[in-house]
Amino acid sequence: DAGVTQSPTHLIKTRGQQVTLRCSPKSGHDTVSWYQQALGQGPQFIFQYYEEEERQRGNFPDRFSGHQFPNYSSELNVNALLLGDSALYLCASRRGVAPDTQYFGPGTRLTVL
Amino acid sequence: DAKTTQPTSMDCAEGRAANLPCNHSTISGNEYVYWYRQIHSQGPQYIIHGLKNNETNEMASLIITEDRKSSTLILPHATLRDTAVYYCIVRDTNAGKSTFGDGTTLTVKP
Repeated sequence: DAGVTQSPTHLIKTRGQQVTLRCSPKSGHDTVSWYQQALGQGPQFIFQYYEEEERQRGNFPDRFSGHQFPNYSSELNVNALLLGDSALYLCASRRGVAPDTQYFGPGTRLTVL
Repeated sequence: DAKTTQPTSMDCAEGRAANLPCNHSTISGNEYVYWYRQIHSQGPQYIIHGLKNNETNEMASLIITEDRKSSTLILPHATLRDTAVYYCIVRDTNAGKSTFGDGTTLTVKP
């Protein structure tokens, strides 16, 4: 049973560029959430997708957008990259939006130069 | 989500029990307590969760006080591989997000 997978593992971009990160949820899960984790801090919630719609959003600008596909996989897009966007981006999945346990992927390390 | 307070860091001797406290004095009746840990920039790993009763699984035990304002995660026989940042989170039954603090860095020493 595959857990949550994310790609790519590492990514280097320059300021102003755009990036797309990908996530495949754990088998049987249909809800995907994205988090940003700066060095030395806890993960910060970006948004959650369920039934291909954004259901909840954290305090992140519109430069951060996402998508969920019919197979429940998800993408996180960040436009006009800033140096401060350098972080570990984590994807988490669970079943539905009830308090089911959330499982995290290994993350994508984004470095913006 | 209710705010949680955890000590910044703790040490534990290998083979001894590690007791990690968490305060969540503003927790509401429908909020669960979850514990995750994160080892060296990997994704957070689920450990255990509970609502009001104490819980135990193969990884740890969770003790929640009767007033639910605090909890303790217990790793009964800590090993060097348990060295990690441990996060205590309280989450509403209908909330999409988990609000993480900065966690407790547990260092298990030989």
